[in-house]
Amino acid sequence: EAGVAQSPRYKIIEKRQSVAFWCNPISGHATLYWYQQILGQGPKLLIQFQNNGVVDDSQLPKDRFSAERLKGVDSTLKIQPAKLEDSAVYLCASSPGPGTVLRGTEAFFGQGTRLTVV
Amino acid sequence: GDSVTQMEGPVTLSEEAFLTINCTYTATGYPSLFWYVQYPGEGLQLLLKATKADDKGSNKGFEATYRKETTSFHLEKGSVQVSDSAVYFCALSDRGGNNRKLIWGLGTSLAVNP
Repeated sequence: EAGVAQSPRYKIIEKRQSVAFWCNPISGHATLYWYQQILGQGPKLLIQFQNNGVVDDSQLPKDRFSAERLKGVDSTLKIQPAKLEDSAVYLCASSPGPGTVLRGTEAFFGQGTRLTVV
Repeated sequence: GDSVTQMEGPVTLSEEAFLTINCTYTATGYPSLFWYVQYPGEGLQLLLKATKADDKGSNKGFEATYRKETTSFHLEKGSVQVSDSAVYFCALSDRGGNNRKLIWGLGTSLAVNP
């Protein structure tokens, strides 16, 4: 079974530039998450999709961050304009979703995109 | 709201030492509990999980038991190896409503010296 795919693996941009990250979840997974992980900290949920609908974006800085999940499959996360404090690893994860009968269904993570803003 | 508290790191051990990383939680419902591991430069991987009280999750020599009475899910390994050096995250899955959310601890860094 293919895992969660993310690209690019690394990105360096100057502040005030824009950047986009792409995620392809595991086939059939209804729930998709974007996390921000700053060095030395735990993952912080930015946005959670259920199919193509947003179920939680309470911690997404909406003045500069946006995300979409067209057709309930792939997703893109965009930052425009970037700030120095956006330097972090951006993790995408997916899970089958609450419609499954499995309890304790874990999230499966991609390798992440390491963003450096200079 | 729900929360997860992990012991602070970094934890430094010699090879073959016994490992315990404490994790306690608060939850209003009946969450599932997870340990994830993050090796240097990698994404998060599920290490083990437990879905109900008294369940024991185990993988790669690591174990954790879901203790409802103490609201704990401590991670243990009898003999650590250098390759276990990583950051370990405790998490719970909120099963309330239709939105399954993962609540994360801050992570505990483990360094194992030969």
